[in-house]
Amino acid sequence: EAQVTQNPRYLITVTGKKLTVTCSQNMNHEYMSWYRQDPGLGLRQIYYSMNVEVTDKGDVPEGYKVSRKEKRNFPLILESPSPNQTSLYFCASSFSGRMYEQYFGPGTRLTVT
Amino acid sequence: QQQVKQSPQSLIVQKGGIPIINCAYENTAFDYFPWYQQFPGKGPALLIAIRPDVSEKKEGRFTISFNKSAKQFSLHIMDSQPGDSATYFCAARETGYQKVTFGIGTKLQVIP
Repeated sequence: EAQVTQNPRYLITVTGKKLTVTCSQNMNHEYMSWYRQDPGLGLRQIYYSMNVEVTDKGDVPEGYKVSRKEKRNFPLILESPSPNQTSLYFCASSFSGRMYEQYFGPGTRLTVT
Repeated sequence: QQQVKQSPQSLIVQKGGIPIINCAYENTAFDYFPWYQQFPGKGPALLIAIRPDVSEKKEGRFTISFNKSAKQFSLHIMDSQPGDSATYFCAARETGYQKVTFGIGTKLQVIP
């Protein structure tokens, strides 16, 4: 089954404790992206990657890191999480010429206390 | 500043009604306009998409209308059903940029 998977689905952590949210896709997509969803703000892009070893900042990259060492994986790293990073996070992927057709993962709800 | 302005933020209609969600943009470099549907607890999924050289596109009960001169586009759901209750996002892709910008979303509730 073609899909984007994220882990964990739910995470509660404390301020400053480094964490990684994993994302994997099995559709051989070149493009991968991370979004955060907040009430009243919609979906905002954090980082994206056009292909292996090619990443770039989205609209709200502060406090986040990413890496793309393999085509199928695109982990999101929070080196020192803060409460304002409490949010619902989505990973998405698509073919590079069809970024309007992104496939989203199920989401990771992160709470930072 | 929102590059894609979406309204309303929430909408309640009765079964069989025609909810309309509106979006507006300023950036003339946008070249593709998708709509995504998100059910509670799920990630968004592409519903329908339109190019600016097309004034209307239908897929089943879902219709996108596009007014290029006004830089506005809208989603209509014909004969709406309770199963259409979801959050809907309009979006826009910018030519030459590797990103899609989303509106803030509209939470639709269709009551029986």
